[in-house]
Amino acid sequence: DTAVSQTPKYLVTQMGNDKSIKCEQNLGHDTMYWYKQDSKKFLKIMFSYNNKELIINETVPNRFSPKSPDKAHLNLHINSLELGDSAVYFCASSQDLVSAGGLTFFGPGTRLTVL
Amino acid sequence: GENVEQHPSTLSVQEGDSAVIKCTYSDSASNYFPWYKQELGKRPQLIIDIRSNVGEKKDQRIAVTLNKTAKHFSLHITETQPEDSAVYFCAAKDQAGTALIFGKGTTLSVSS
Repeated sequence: DTAVSQTPKYLVTQMGNDKSIKCEQNLGHDTMYWYKQDSKKFLKIMFSYNNKELIINETVPNRFSPKSPDKAHLNLHINSLELGDSAVYFCASSQDLVSAGGLTFFGPGTRLTVL
Repeated sequence: GENVEQHPSTLSVQEGDSAVIKCTYSDSASNYFPWYKQELGKRPQLIIDIRSNVGEKKDQRIAVTLNKTAKHFSLHITETQPEDSAVYFCAAKDQAGTALIFGKGTTLSVSS
């Protein structure tokens, strides 16, 4: 009965590679997010999607491209990986835009290590 | 956009003592203020939240207070236990209401 799930849990890759992280929520929420948590534990919003539409795109390099095939899924594709991309990436969801950024549930995180 | 400051960055207490973590926010239109607990290697988990029409909320050993005028809110944990040791994050919903903006976290250590 996992509410927000992500795959993979760990991702180790070489610089320059392209990789994807998948996220799914079974809560019936309309809004989904990607957050990046760096080595200092800072949780920073990257993207916000509402009903498959991009709402927030913070100052994130365009090597990062989110894709939302449907309301329940928000995937993150990263091109030309760099050392600085190493972090834990959390997917999250909340009910809708009115309460968006309200009660927010996080996935288990994907620890990305770029060598 | 919204900016959330959190203090202290680390806090060490003895078991049974109280712990207080404070946050300030910049956007006076923010109206939702949750607190998350993150244990090592785990996801952030909501522990308590407060909306701007309420000044205080309590749930067993944890409580949150909000001062809208001063734009600050605090987390209070009483009778701390070793299992309270974790990183705690405050957050605020930004003006557009589109995402939670987090403080930089407080590492709480409770020693027995």
